[in-house]
Amino acid sequence: GAVVSQHPSWVICKSGTSVKIECRSLDFQATTMFWYRQFPKQSLMLMATSNEGSKATYEQGVEKDKFLINHASLTLSTLTVTSAHPEDSSFYICSARDQGQGNYGYTFGSGTRLTVV
Amino acid sequence: AQSVTQLGSHVSVSEGALVLLRCNYSSSVPPYLFWYVQYPNQGLQLLLKYTTGATLVKGINGFEAEFKKSETSFHLTKPSAHMSDAAEYFCAVKGSSNTGKLIFGQGTTLQVKP
Repeated sequence: GAVVSQHPSWVICKSGTSVKIECRSLDFQATTMFWYRQFPKQSLMLMATSNEGSKATYEQGVEKDKFLINHASLTLSTLTVTSAHPEDSSFYICSARDQGQGNYGYTFGSGTRLTVV
Repeated sequence: AQSVTQLGSHVSVSEGALVLLRCNYSSSVPPYLFWYVQYPNQGLQLLLKYTTGATLVKGINGFEAEFKKSETSFHLTKPSAHMSDAAEYFCAVKGSSNTGKLIFGQGTTLQVKP
């Protein structure tokens, strides 16, 4: 089945530094990927939709200059948290849409736990 | 616009008992509906999905859900709970926008008591 690899699974960084999270579709091409943020005991909050070869579409209230998304190929999207601060600490999850499954295939990565100290 | 409401943020059952997790949706178009499970510090795993056709959908790990248009519901059930079913469960509906983003419910924590 479709597999999405998300890396790293956890990262600790100092306040003010930037962190890059990678999301790869391993056995399918993903023209669309989604980035979510999840706070403890809460649901997933969609941050942005990433389309291969074009600019990401950000949800209302998400700072696009802080959360940089790049979708340079059909199998890779990256999320960079720039100038990270403790309030950016969260669980970030990516999802890739498998066009081979039409409208029905959404595969999730295993998530990245970001802790900013 | 689409939305999802999961009734009950926390459900507790005994091992071997019936599991029922409730999900109601709102959609202006025929919905595509999903149930996902999430274990601590992990991503989401698809349990089952409804797109078209048969309204009773069977998924992995013995779970099933029934699409009821008249009730705008898509409740998740399992006849007999196992300890390993303890996790967070999310119901989702595919949005009608071209992006195809999923809209999630608030989640339900399932506790299974021995």
